Amino acid sequence: GAGVSQSPSNKVTEKGKDVELRCDPISGHTALYWYRQRLGQGLEFLIYFQGNSAPDKSGLPSDRFSAERTGESVSTLTIQRTQQEDSAVYLCASSSQHFSYGYTFGSGTRLTVV
Amino acid sequence: GESVGLHLPTLSVQEGDNSIINCAYSNSASDYFIWYKQESGKGPQFIIDIRSNMDKRQGQRVTVLLNKTVKHLSLQIAATQPGDSAVYFCAEKRGNNRLAFGKGNQVVVIP
Repeated sequence: GAGVSQSPSNKVTEKGKDVELRCDPISGHTALYWYRQRLGQGLEFLIYFQGNSAPDKSGLPSDRFSAERTGESVSTLTIQRTQQEDSAVYLCASSSQHFSYGYTFGSGTRLTVV
Repeated sequence: GESVGLHLPTLSVQEGDNSIINCAYSNSASDYFIWYKQESGKGPQFIIDIRSNMDKRQGQRVTVLLNKTVKHLSLQIAATQPGDSAVYFCAEKRGNNRLAFGKGNQVVVIP
């Protein structure tokens, strides 16, 4: 596609439920990144994919968070047993192998845990 | 943790004036830096980048300055317009092509 697409754009869930967030990167981009952005804050790194492997998962805050990627395509970020502190915007970005112009970001998924 | 920070949380600027946003970074080995602009409800958008072998780069109405001696980065916006109102982030490339972002600086343009 023309850009990075994320769905849903907004998600309200009850505390304790599981959620899945989806990211469709730019076609041909080998690298994919997930970031979390709390209200009024900067971007917190979660996980990085190169192809369908994840060489850097160091930012995942707990074992309730996991992510997978199919080939060099779609990625899903799953949060199990959501907590109120998980409320944030989850941003996905992709980049080419040569990292030209850094990342291209999607518009994010705004997650609200009530 | 990651340490790329901005000095001023909010910058109010009169329309038509120039804006300067500052950023300090921590990793002297970083070789690539990017400024992003984030408008409300959108993802960050690339503005301009600079490699560590340069100290200045100009784009359309924007200039990035890099001072490696003091690990300082700045973004200058000329003739600020209402559409420039946004949060601006500097980012520093770490290993695995991973970017470390600062907390962001809100720019408010006063018409």
